[in-house]
Parts: sequence; structure tokens; C-alpha cells
Amino acid sequence: GQGVEQPDNLMSVEGTFARVNCTYSTSGFNGLSWYQQREGHAPVFLSYVVLDGLKDSGHFSTFLSRSNGYSYLLLTELQIKDSASYLCAVRWPNYNVLYFGSGTKLTVEP
Amino acid sequence: AQTIHQWPVAEIKAVGSPLSLGCTIKGKSSPNLYWYWQATGGTLQQLFYSITVGQVESVVQLNLSASRPKDDQFILSTEKLLLSHSGFYLCAWSLGQNSDYTFGSGTRLLVI
Repeated sequence: GQGVEQPDNLMSVEGTFARVNCTYSTSGFNGLSWYQQREGHAPVFLSYVVLDGLKDSGHFSTFLSRSNGYSYLLLTELQIKDSASYLCAVRWPNYNVLYFGSGTKLTVEP
Repeated sequence: AQTIHQWPVAEIKAVGSPLSLGCTIKGKSSPNLYWYWQATGGTLQQLFYSITVGQVESVVQLNLSASRPKDDQFILSTEKLLLSHSGFYLCAWSLGQNSDYTFGSGTRLLVI
């Protein structure tokens, strides 16, 4: 695989923000995606990044540093309903293979 | 609008029995299709992908096979189920390079 690593759990407070980190092995990188997955449901696409820098999509923003093999998903103005697992996935060795991390379970508290 | 339909929604099967799971995409011609598997509490693992009818590439086989008999259909099957096949099977589609993956609602399989 591509050594896609994510922390298991993350807790934050409603109205604040949360940053979900992801590291991966850099060789043969073809892009990185973020998905949200609720318990018992299929993943839902959030963002795809292939160039360095910050991509602002409103409630969700994503950052990528290809040289460091690092990405994060930033959720702002958290709501309780943002509690879910967030999955990082790297396209390797081609665009048709997605290697997923184990996911970070975000809990948003009141 | 594109829709992706998986069947069945859930199955309970005996060890050693055959399995066939289906996935149909409507509203998009020549999509790239994918099969994923997720053990309970586990990581999503890609099993197969198909770019065109009749062609399937294996990523991780897990004693399963896949076929694409029609442009809009992707089938996952095995002749003999193992206990380790239990889990959540997801079909997904994309338009290819730089395109996001859209997942179906999945099939939950329990092998006993």
C-alpha cells in the first residue's frame, strides 16, 4: 500500500474547528481524496487535491504538501452533525486505485 | 442524474456457499467501476476496477472475482464463501482521471 496514516480519534467543540491529519508515502503519488463516512453508511466524497496548497471549499478546506507526504482536512464552525469518520485516500499507482487510511473518528461535543 | 444501485442490500450466507453481488450505474456511459470491501470497524480496501466492458483489473483478490458483462453493470462473486468474507461491500464509479469516486449504498454480508 501507500502507508496512509491517520489518527484514530479526534474530539472538538461545536462552533470551533477540527483538523484531521493524514500522512502517506510520496512515491508514485497521483492525488489525494477526503471522504466522510457515517457508521453503517457508504463514504461521501468531500475533496480531491493534487497540487500543493490550501483548497477552500467553505465548511471543508483541504491542504496538501506533496514533498512532505502530508494533507489535512479542516472543518470550521463545527456542528454536532459533523461527528463522523473522515477518510483520507491516496491514488496509487494509477488513477484507478485508491488506498484508504483507517479513518479518523471525529466527535463534536456541545 | 446518475444513480448507482447495489443488490442485495444484505445477505446472510453459509460458509462454502456461492455469492454474487451486483452493481448498476444509470445515467452515465462508460464509467470506471470499482469494488471495495470493509470489514466491520476496518479499513476500506479496493478489490477490483474496470475501465471498460469485459475488462477487470484485480487489486486485492481475497478469493473473489469480478466481471463487467455490460457497460453499466459490475458483478462480484465467489464459488465458495469464507468466514473472512463477512463485511461491507461497496461499488463505486468515476469518470476517470482527477474525478471523484461516488459510492453505492453497499451490501452488508454475514458469512456463518
